[in-house]
Amino acid sequence: DAGVTQSPTHLIKTRGQQVTLRCSPKSGHDTVSWYQQALGQGPQFIFQYYEEEERQRGNFPDRFSGHQFPNYSSELNVNALLLGDSALYLCASSLGAFEAGANVLTFGAGSRLTVL
Amino acid sequence: GEDVEQSLFLSVREGDSSVINCTYTDSSSTYLYWYKQEPGAGLQLLTYIFSNMDMKQDQRLTVLLNKKDKHLSLRIADTQTGDSAIYFCAFPFSGGYNKLIFGAGTRLAVHP
Repeated sequence: DAGVTQSPTHLIKTRGQQVTLRCSPKSGHDTVSWYQQALGQGPQFIFQYYEEEERQRGNFPDRFSGHQFPNYSSELNVNALLLGDSALYLCASSLGAFEAGANVLTFGAGSRLTVL
Repeated sequence: GEDVEQSLFLSVREGDSSVINCTYTDSSSTYLYWYKQEPGAGLQLLTYIFSNMDMKQDQRLTVLLNKKDKHLSLRIADTQTGDSAIYFCAFPFSGGYNKLIFGAGTRLAVHP
């Protein structure tokens, strides 16, 4: 049973460029959340997609946007890249958007973005 | 708002016990989690505790929850070199949505 898969694993961009990161959720999961993990810090919640709509959003600017497809996979887009956007971007999937018992998030290995 | 604090670094000798501590501000969470992150990898769920419990034991792992002091700890018995990693405590944001707030992580170094 495949877990959460993310692509690409590493990428390098320059300031001002745009990037798209992709995520396929664990089989049976329908909700995708994105987290940003800067070096030396814990993951920070960016947003969550459920039923192809953004349901919750963290404290991130509009340069960060996303999409969820009918097959539950998701994309994270970041426009006008800044040096500070360099981080590990983690995708997590779950069944449902609401906390339900020990319904926990399954994380992918992440996409490491370097902005030069 | 919600906040989570962890000590940043812990060094232990192989075979000893490790205790990783976490304090939090929000007390409405039903579950509290411990995640492990190895170098170059994503997050792996290690264990969790329900908020109406004081303790949970899972093989070498023991989780203690002190709701009064808003303190969560993870004890690893007989620590091995394979336990070297970063450990994060995490709990759901208020509002019931399945999204987590994480501490900054504690880097555990295990030496011979």
